[in-house]
Amino acid sequence: GQQLNQSPQSMFIQEGEDVSMNCTSSSIFNTWLWYKQDPGEGPVLLIALYKAGELTSNGRLTAQFGITRKDSFLNISASIPSDVGIYFCAGQLVKGAQKLVFGQGTRLTINP
Amino acid sequence: DTGVSQDPRHKITKRGQNVTFRCDPISEHNRLYWYRQTLGQGPEFLTYFQNEAQLEKSRLLSDRFSAERPKGSFSTLEIQRTEQGDSAMYLCASSRGAANTGELFFGEGSRLTVL
Repeated sequence: GQQLNQSPQSMFIQEGEDVSMNCTSSSIFNTWLWYKQDPGEGPVLLIALYKAGELTSNGRLTAQFGITRKDSFLNISASIPSDVGIYFCAGQLVKGAQKLVFGQGTRLTINP
Repeated sequence: DTGVSQDPRHKITKRGQNVTFRCDPISEHNRLYWYRQTLGQGPEFLTYFQNEAQLEKSRLLSDRFSAERPKGSFSTLEIQRTEQGDSAMYLCASSRGAANTGELFFGEGSRLTVL
C-alpha cells in the first residue's frame, strides 16, 4: 500500500538547536500535512501544504511541499522544551480524499 | 473550548468481550473520522462519516467492527469479540467544509487493552 517514510525515526538534540525532518514516498501525494502528538494526546495539526513547491511557516516551524510531490520536510528553529513529542507527516493521495496516510513518526527529545 | 471528546479514555477488557467507544465531535463539524494507532506507528484510517452517512470504510475494519453516527452528531465504534490484536489507541477526528482538506481535529483517543 501507500507508505510515507519518515526520517529520522528519533532525534536527541540540545535546547536551542534547529531541527530538520523529512518524509518521502514512492507515490505522488496531492496534499502534505504535519501533525504533532504529545504523550496521551491526539495529533494536532501544525502545517498544511497544498501546492507542489509551497513553503509555509508557522512561527518557528517551516515546511515545504516537494516539487516532485513525493516528499516534504519540516524544520523547527531554535528548539524549546515544549517541542518535545512525535511529529507525523500525513498526505492525501487525491486532493479531497477522506483518507489521510500517516508516516510512522519522528520522536523528538530535547536535552535542556 | 469544546474540542473533540472521546470516552472512555482507557478500556481494559478480556479477549472475546465487546467494547464500545464514543466520540463527540466539534459541534459544527459535519465530517467525522475514526483512526487506529498502534504503538510506535502513525494513525491508520478506519472509517469516515459525512453527517450520518458512513461513506468510506477501510479494509482494516473487519466485520467485528461497526461504527455508527445515528443523528449526525456523536459516533460510536463497537468492537465485537475482541482479540489481542485489537489493542490500540482509537482516535476520533472531525472537520468541516465542503471538501476534506486533511485539516483534522483529533480527540485524545480511547486506549484499548485486550488481555
